[in-house]
Amino acid sequence: EAGVAQSPRYKIIEKRQSVAFWCNPISGHATLYWYQQILGQGPKLLIQFQNNGVVDDSQLPKDRFSAERLKGVDSTLKIQPAKLEDSAVYLCASSTGQGRSYEQYFGPGTRLTVT
Amino acid sequence: AQSVTQLDSQVPVFEEAPVELRCNYSSSVSVYLFWYVQYPNQGLQLLLKYLSGSTLVESINGFEAEFNKSQTSFHLRKPSVHISDTAEYFCAVSLVYSGAGSYQLTFGKGTKLSVIP
Repeated sequence: EAGVAQSPRYKIIEKRQSVAFWCNPISGHATLYWYQQILGQGPKLLIQFQNNGVVDDSQLPKDRFSAERLKGVDSTLKIQPAKLEDSAVYLCASSTGQGRSYEQYFGPGTRLTVT
Repeated sequence: AQSVTQLDSQVPVFEEAPVELRCNYSSSVSVYLFWYVQYPNQGLQLLLKYLSGSTLVESINGFEAEFNKSQTSFHLRKPSVHISDTAEYFCAVSLVYSGAGSYQLTFGKGTKLSVIP
């Protein structure tokens, strides 16, 4: 079974530029999560999708961050414009979304550096 | 809202020595508890979980954790560590399922375990 795929693995941009991250969850997983992991901290949930609908985006800075999950499979997370404090690893995770789907499977992450 | 505190940011330990990584949580309702491990340049992997039943849970690679409700703790232990255990370990909680939006994980800040040869 293929795991959660993310690209790119690394990205360096200047502040005020835009950037997009892509995530392909495990096949058949209905629930998809995006987390932000700042150096020295644990991952923080940004947004949760159930199929192609948003379940919770209360911690997503909507003035600059956006995310979509068209067709309920792949997802993209965009930052526009980026700030220095957005430097972090962006993790995507997925779960079955059925029954007691408490286990989340994480991708390798995208390390973003904003200069 | 729930929160997780990992008291040690870094734990160095000699190979074959025992180790304990501490985790305390705060929640007004029942939670599920998890330990995730993150090896360098990799994503998080589930190490073990407590959902219900026996308060002592074990992983396949020799780690164990004990749920202590009165002390709101879920400490991770291993009697003899190996070089390959060097990684960062995250404790996390999730509310017991109650509908849409559940199973969101709240993580601690992590503990870096360094095993010294």
